[in-house]
Amino acid sequence: SQKIEQNSEALNIQEGKTATLTCNYTNYSPAYLQWYRQDPGRGPVFLLLIRENEKEKRKERLKVTFDTTLKQSLFHITASQPADSATYLCALVTGNQFYFGTGTSLTVIP
Amino acid sequence: EPEVTQTPSHQVTQMGQEVILRCVPISNHLYFYWYRQILGQKVEFLVSFYNNEISEKSEIFDDQFSVERPDGSNFTLKIRSTKLEDSAMYFCASRQTGSNEQFFGPGTRLTVL
Repeated sequence: SQKIEQNSEALNIQEGKTATLTCNYTNYSPAYLQWYRQDPGRGPVFLLLIRENEKEKRKERLKVTFDTTLKQSLFHITASQPADSATYLCALVTGNQFYFGTGTSLTVIP
Repeated sequence: EPEVTQTPSHQVTQMGQEVILRCVPISNHLYFYWYRQILGQKVEFLVSFYNNEISEKSEIFDDQFSVERPDGSNFTLKIRSTKLEDSAMYFCASRQTGSNEQFFGPGTRLTVL
């Protein structure tokens, strides 16, 4: 099965800076990859999806890249705000199975 | 805005007892999922369900687990004989045909004593 690693369990950045989160996977490339936000005690909330044949996707202040050669996805939040503080999860999707990473806890410091 | 709902929010049970966790997916969604998240760990896929049958399941989803859509609105997860290690947050999710966006419910916290 897939092994998914997300960079450092916790990431602290200054408000206004760009946060970059990493998701690395082993084995086969998924059909697509998703990023979710999870707040404490809540279910994950879908943010963005990128397919294996896409290099980059954007949505407002969010940007996702997908490099199937490196087996890596990067998730960027530009002009970060304290309200962006949460845990961010990547999920690899193959067929109708979803494999989640352990998540990166982001704290944006005012 | 439509949302996935789950009941109960917290379930406490004794080891060996059966539990049923309930979910009401968003009404026009046809794909349903169960996940679990042990405290401090990652979200783990359990099972996906479509067209009244299981489409995929993980190694975690053994004979102790079953899912059912007993009527047009509910989607349930049954654990036949709970173990201490079944203690976790259980999330239900659903999605529409043609969309890859899953909508998660708020979760049920299961505590097995």
